[in-house]
Amino acid sequence: GQNIDQPTEMTATEGAIVQINCTYQTSGFNGLFWYQQHAGEAPTFLSYNVLDGLEEKGRFSSFLSRSKGYSYLLLKELQMKDSASYLCAVSPGGSYIPTFGRGTSLIVHP
Amino acid sequence: DAGVIQSPRHEVTEMGQEVTLRCKPISGHNSLFWYRQTMMRGLELLIYFNNNVPIDDSGMPEDRFSAKMPNASFSTLKIQPSEPRDSAVYFCASSLTRPPTDTQYFGPGTRLTVL
Repeated sequence: GQNIDQPTEMTATEGAIVQINCTYQTSGFNGLFWYQQHAGEAPTFLSYNVLDGLEEKGRFSSFLSRSKGYSYLLLKELQMKDSASYLCAVSPGGSYIPTFGRGTSLIVHP
Repeated sequence: DAGVIQSPRHEVTEMGQEVTLRCKPISGHNSLFWYRQTMMRGLELLIYFNNNVPIDDSGMPEDRFSAKMPNASFSTLKIQPSEPRDSAVYFCASSLTRPPTDTQYFGPGTRLTVL
């Protein structure tokens, strides 16, 4: 089976930095995704990590440690529009189909 | 590109009725996915098609749920008979090939309410 854990909710201040953690236990590993989902909208792709290390993409960065079963999404220079749910999804060995975590609801306040 | 198209966007029905959700994937994409999202269970994969063939339907809750993909540009998810616990947002997603090589693109979803 697969188990993906992320905090349910986080709050942060506009302009600050926030780190959203994700831990996972899967049978095999073929990569980890982060998706952003605004309320009432569809998830949209943010990042994909398959090797250890940090991937930077503008204000967003994603880190992966396969040995620890751990990833984080780092959001810098927070903006109000970053208020959304952030979904961690892991692609296991075999089926390759990503399994999604429950998501972390991020609230950015002024 | 128009993206993944789903219809209807909202559906309210009564218990026992048949519900049909529709999806048009992005043109040229070979993989199609149906997901269900609820507050309690998050985003769950129901079924995955590759080249119009169902590959993994282990997430389909029970026999009341069925999905078809008659051609590369159309898929349906049917619930018959519907029950209140089926109330959720149903997303269709497509990708160029299979994950994880290619990103999944999600449609806007169908919000289903079964009374």
